Amino acid sequence: SYELTQPPSVSVSPGQTARITCSGDALPKQYAYWYQQKPGQAPVLVINKDSERPSGIPERFSGSSSGTTVTLTISGVQAEDEADYYCQSADSSGTYRVFGGGTKLTVL
Amino acid sequence: EVQLVDSGGGLVQPGGSLRLSCAASGFTFSSYWMNWARQAPGKGLEWVANINQDGSEKYYVDSVKGRFTISRDNAKNSLYLQMNTLRVEDTAVYYCARDHAFDIWGQGTMVTVSS
Repeated sequence: SYELTQPPSVSVSPGQTARITCSGDALPKQYAYWYQQKPGQAPVLVINKDSERPSGIPERFSGSSSGTTVTLTISGVQAEDEADYYCQSADSSGTYRVFGGGTKLTVL
Repeated sequence: EVQLVDSGGGLVQPGGSLRLSCAASGFTFSSYWMNWARQAPGKGLEWVANINQDGSEKYYVDSVKGRFTISRDNAKNSLYLQMNTLRVEDTAVYYCARDHAFDIWGQGTMVTVSS
C-alpha cells in the first residue's frame, strides 16, 4: 500500500524557521495537504493543494513541492505552533487517501 | 457556520457492531466527497473510507474492507459509518471530514473495542 514518510520530530527555537518534509512516490501527480493537531483537538487544515493557505491561517505557514517531496515551512515559529503536523495525499490513481505518520514539532 | 458533528461512539465487545453518524450544517452537503478517518490512542491519523457526492463511489482502507460500510443521506445532510465485526485494533477516535482536502473536521467520537 502507498505510504507518505515524515520525520517523527522536529525541534526549533522561537523565531526560527521549521521545515517538515513529506515524501511519497505519487506526490508529483497528487496534491498534498498539511494539518496541525494539538492535544485533544481535531486536526486543522493549514496548507491546501501543496501551497495554498486557507483563510485564517497565519502567513508564517507556507507549503512547497519538489518532485516526490513536499515541505511545510513555518517561519518565525511561535510557542503556539507546537503541535503534531500531518501531510495527506492520494495514491497514484487518486482513489485511496493516505496520511503521513506525523511530525511532532517542539518549540524549545 | 460550517460544521460537522460526530456521534455514535461507545464501548463494544470484539465482534460487535456500531454505527457512527456525522451531521453536516452550514454548507451544501450533497456537493462534497466525505471521509471517515480515525486515530488510535497515541497514534497518527489513518484514513478509513470515503464516498462521493451521490454515494455511487465508495473506497476503503484495506484493514476495514468487508467489515465497514460508508453511506450518506443527502436529504438529512448526514454521513454514516456502519462498523461490523469490530476488532480491538479498531479502537480509536473516529472523525468525519469534508472533501479530499479534509478541510472541515468533526470533533470526533471515541470507539472502544474491548471485552
